[in-house]
Amino acid sequence: GIQVEQSPPDLILQEGANSTLRCNFSDSVNNLQWFHQNPWGQLINLFYIPSGTKQNGRLSATTVATERYSLLYISSSQTTDSGVYFCAVTNAGNMLTFGGGTRLMVKP
Amino acid sequence: KAGVTQTPRYLIKTRGQQVTLSCSPISGHRSVSWYQQTPGQGLQFLFEYFSETQRNKGNFPGRFSGRQFSNSRSEMNVSTLELGDSALYLCASSGPVKTDTQYFGPGTRLTVL
Repeated sequence: GIQVEQSPPDLILQEGANSTLRCNFSDSVNNLQWFHQNPWGQLINLFYIPSGTKQNGRLSATTVATERYSLLYISSSQTTDSGVYFCAVTNAGNMLTFGGGTRLMVKP
Repeated sequence: KAGVTQTPRYLIKTRGQQVTLSCSPISGHRSVSWYQQTPGQGLQFLFEYFSETQRNKGNFPGRFSGRQFSNSRSEMNVSTLELGDSALYLCASSGPVKTDTQYFGPGTRLTVL
């Protein structure tokens, strides 16, 4: 099956800093989503982005499908951005394969 | 529009028991998928139901089963619980397109003693 790798596994930032999270996948995909898992465990949708670039406030994402990677950019980070960020992909219906996540801590 | 809801939110069971978890999708969504999250294995796909039929199945033993009702609500059942079944169980719903954005519920945290 498809493999998904996220880097870095852990990231510590000072409030106000920018960061880039990476997601590599091993095969072509027809769905790629980025999620933020809150402290209570719920996965919050950030982007549905199988290709191209999208922006939502301080967050933006780019997927280069031909090179099999996606990037999530967080600008001017805030303490509320802390948590785990997951990339998930599928090339078969709605069966998402998740990466291992990036654990982000933003310090005040 | 109301989001995906899951009940119960927390559950404690003992080994050998069985458990049923419930998921109500976003109104109008017909696909419901289930995922298991553990510290060791991460997030893994269990199964997907669409219009009361299982459309995809992950690599889990037969103790894990599910079903979907005509109103799209779904249940998953785990029989003969093992300690390793302790996990956060997440349900996701998506719209009519075969590959679509998935929206997750808050999860059910199951502890097996």
